[in-house]
Amino acid sequence: AQTVTQSQPEMSVQEAETVTLSCTYDTSESDYYLFWYKQPPSRQMILVIRQEAYKQQNATENRFSVNFQKAAKSFSLKISDSQLGDAAMYFCASDGSGNTGKLIFGQGTTLQVKP
Amino acid sequence: EAQVTQNPRYLITVTGKKLTVTCSQNMNHEYMSWYRQDPGLGLRQIYYSMNVEVTDKGDVPEGYKVSRKEKRNFPLILESPSPNQTSLYFCASSQDRGRGTEETQYFGPGTRLLVL
Repeated sequence: AQTVTQSQPEMSVQEAETVTLSCTYDTSESDYYLFWYKQPPSRQMILVIRQEAYKQQNATENRFSVNFQKAAKSFSLKISDSQLGDAAMYFCASDGSGNTGKLIFGQGTTLQVKP
Repeated sequence: EAQVTQNPRYLITVTGKKLTVTCSQNMNHEYMSWYRQDPGLGLRQIYYSMNVEVTDKGDVPEGYKVSRKEKRNFPLILESPSPNQTSLYFCASSQDRGRGTEETQYFGPGTRLLVL
């Protein structure tokens, strides 16, 4: 079965500093996507960044970037110049096999940003 | 505006009292899913639908039912709710499997359910 693991339940970072959230996954698929979602206190699920497994170049979106290590099945999220608005729960996810439209989520990491 | 709506947003009920959480999307999406979010477990898929009248079980379907009579609507039904169904529920939709740049999965705002 496909799994996604986030081993850091909580992280904290000083405002303007850089933080990295870890994620590992396991899949038998050869073609897949990986995602990071942000869930602020409003509980809304917001897509932060996506990575296609076939692309070797790491995805970036403004202050957010990933370190995708396919062989190690690792997909970490780096947030640069952290802002107070970055405080949220972050979920790592992969898309499941078959035609289910399913995303498989990790347990989540709560990020605290200190002023 | 492209969106997925859910109602109600908050619900407190008692064990055994049937309830329905509605989900509607205005993007003409084919795929729709229901997830539940529990602390330490992330989000888990309950049911999904690939099109009208086509539904199937996800990872945690016990105690839930769904229907897809219209493309835009995908209600979640709890016929006899129990306290272990207390959770945060999300509906999501996508045109395809939600993989490529134009195929983002859109999530509803969530429904917080408490079963006493």
